[in-house]
Amino acid sequence: QVQLVESGGGVVQPGGSLKLSCAASRFTFSSFAIHWVRQAPGKGLEWVSGISYDGTEKHNADSVKGRFTNSRDNSRNTVYLQMNSLRAEDTAVYYCVRSPHRLIAVAGGYFDFWGQGTLVTVSS
Amino acid sequence: DIQMTQSPSSLSASVGDRVTITCQASHDISNYLNWYQQKPGKAPKLLIYDASNLQTGVPSRFSGSGSGIDFTFTITSLQPEDIATYYCQQYDNLPSTFGQGTRLDIK
Repeated sequence: QVQLVESGGGVVQPGGSLKLSCAASRFTFSSFAIHWVRQAPGKGLEWVSGISYDGTEKHNADSVKGRFTNSRDNSRNTVYLQMNSLRAEDTAVYYCVRSPHRLIAVAGGYFDFWGQGTLVTVSS
Repeated sequence: DIQMTQSPSSLSASVGDRVTITCQASHDISNYLNWYQQKPGKAPKLLIYDASNLQTGVPSRFSGSGSGIDFTFTITSLQPEDIATYYCQQYDNLPSTFGQGTRLDIK
């Protein structure tokens, strides 16, 4: 069964930085796009960022543009989300999710496997 | 960005009932509409993709339909384990956007 395991969450002060990791296993990691979806406490789902199978195509939500950077290391089967200039409204559980497609800017995507999530709390 | 309007926001039904949730897109999204189930404290789970395709392993009591801007998600016979929040999602283009969710519980 596909596995996605997030790590790196925690408590950080406003303006601080945090780097999330998503370790993948039990599938051919280098063939799939990976996305990040977050969920603020008691709220709905928000797509945050996506990266293509080879890391050449990236896209961020406007709410995190210029602050979050998505990257991947296919030799380590890992995706990273570098989060800078964090704000209180970034407080959420961050999920790493797999898309069945290689690219991200392709109609018809969906998220077939999800990690368990990692909690990021931005607070002073 | 494409806005997704999901209704109702909450719903109570009895075991065995037929349950319907609707989702409306602000623009034509063809059939690029997905449905997820989220149980408390758990990650969401994909149920339906491309409006009407049942994800592998998902019970056949779940179904989806629609195209363009109007979509419907149906549970034909509600089971106790179906208590969850359900979300629609469009992936016609980025940013992908979700509906606000429908919280389903047992009457």
